[in-house]
Amino acid sequence: DIQMTQSPSTLSASVGDRVAVTCRASQSISNYLAWYQQKPGKAPKLLIYKASSLASGVPSRFSGSESGTEFTLTISSLQPDDFATYYCLQYYSYSRTFGQGTKVEIK
Amino acid sequence: EVKLLESGGGLVQPGGSLRLSCAASGFTFTSYTMTWARQAPGKGLEWVATISGSGGRADYADSVKGRFSISRDNSKNTLFLQMNSLRAEDTAIYFCAKNGLLQWLAHFDSWGQGTLVAVSS
Repeated sequence: DIQMTQSPSTLSASVGDRVAVTCRASQSISNYLAWYQQKPGKAPKLLIYKASSLASGVPSRFSGSESGTEFTLTISSLQPDDFATYYCLQYYSYSRTFGQGTKVEIK
Repeated sequence: EVKLLESGGGLVQPGGSLRLSCAASGFTFTSYTMTWARQAPGKGLEWVATISGSGGRADYADSVKGRFSISRDNSKNTLFLQMNSLRAEDTAIYFCAKNGLLQWLAHFDSWGQGTLVAVSS
């Protein structure tokens, strides 16, 4: 199975900060990578798919990039609504796998 | 508007069975691959199973293979997850999700709110 190693597990930041979350795949997954935001008690929300395509209705401060097997979600200017947990998902393999999650906390 | 509404969760003893349902609306159900994912209390997301639009193909996580069965009734726009031989480690919120594209390998673009399954004696 493809392993997705997500880092950091926790990130403390302030409103207005630029933040980045990374997922590293254990093997090539092309660009079959999505990013989700989840708030407590809620369902995950799609942010990015195909590594860098912005989902409908998602603010442009969110962006995705890839470099080989390393994928990055960047929030250009953190807003109060962005404090949440973020997950990556690889769907290259039939055995889809999520990263362990990154909790973005208020500093 | 896409809507996915899970039901059927509850408290079950180890070794027991449960059948989850996911009622779908707002899209052409039969055209889309559908997925079940879960989240144990305080833990991350875990993919469980995926089924094609026709129901003819399904994939399962190793952790549930042989115990869980995913199916769908396209005449009723409903997705199911039959869970047998339940274990304490199956305790989680179970979400259904819709594929974002008309292909087997795709991201999940819409999720239900989830239904809680608790396995305990």
